[in-house]
Amino acid sequence: DGGITQSPKYLFRKEGQNVTLSCEQNLNHDAMYWYRQDPGQGLRLIYYSQIVNDFQKGDIAEGYSVSREKKESFPLTVTSAQKNPTAFYLCASSVDPGPETQYFGPGTRLLVL
Amino acid sequence: DAKTTQPPSMDCAEGRAANLPCNHSTISGNEYVYWYRQIHSQGPQYIIHGLKNNETNEMASLIITEDRKSSTLILPHATLRDTAVYYCIVNYGGSQGNLIFGKGTKLSVKP
Repeated sequence: DGGITQSPKYLFRKEGQNVTLSCEQNLNHDAMYWYRQDPGQGLRLIYYSQIVNDFQKGDIAEGYSVSREKKESFPLTVTSAQKNPTAFYLCASSVDPGPETQYFGPGTRLLVL
Repeated sequence: DAKTTQPPSMDCAEGRAANLPCNHSTISGNEYVYWYRQIHSQGPQYIIHGLKNNETNEMASLIITEDRKSSTLILPHATLRDTAVYYCIVNYGGSQGNLIFGKGTKLSVKP
């Protein structure tokens, strides 16, 4: 079955530690996105990638980094510079960038110890 | 910011139609209306989208007013599994292509 997978489902981060969230899609989509969701809130864009080897900052990119070395993979690293990382992180993809239907993964919940 | 206004919560009896309203008075002529839903602690799920005409698929119907300033998502026979937060989206953030989510409507389907 085609879809988007995210791992792990839960992730714990210690103070000063970098952690990486995985996002993989087998839909052959060009565009991929990372969103952050805080309790009771909508989604906010962290980073997006319109094509392999290219990515741009979203609205809240500070303290995060990404790479897009393969079409199917778009990992997100939460660095120690992100002072409030506790949130629900969602990865999405679409056939093309722009007003296209986006398909979401199941999410990763990041907690700080 | 989200360009839509939705009621924060609604209730619906199981088996009845759920009608979820959305106001988008500043929508541009080339902006689509998208609906997604998010069941607790899961990723958002695409439901339906439209531009001007009413649309129907296996999940729902979308009714868009003639002036395009508002729309209604209709779940014809709501079940307990339809309990979720429903998001109406009309803003794509320009070239970014991302979806700008507001707070949505929390639909509670009750037995």
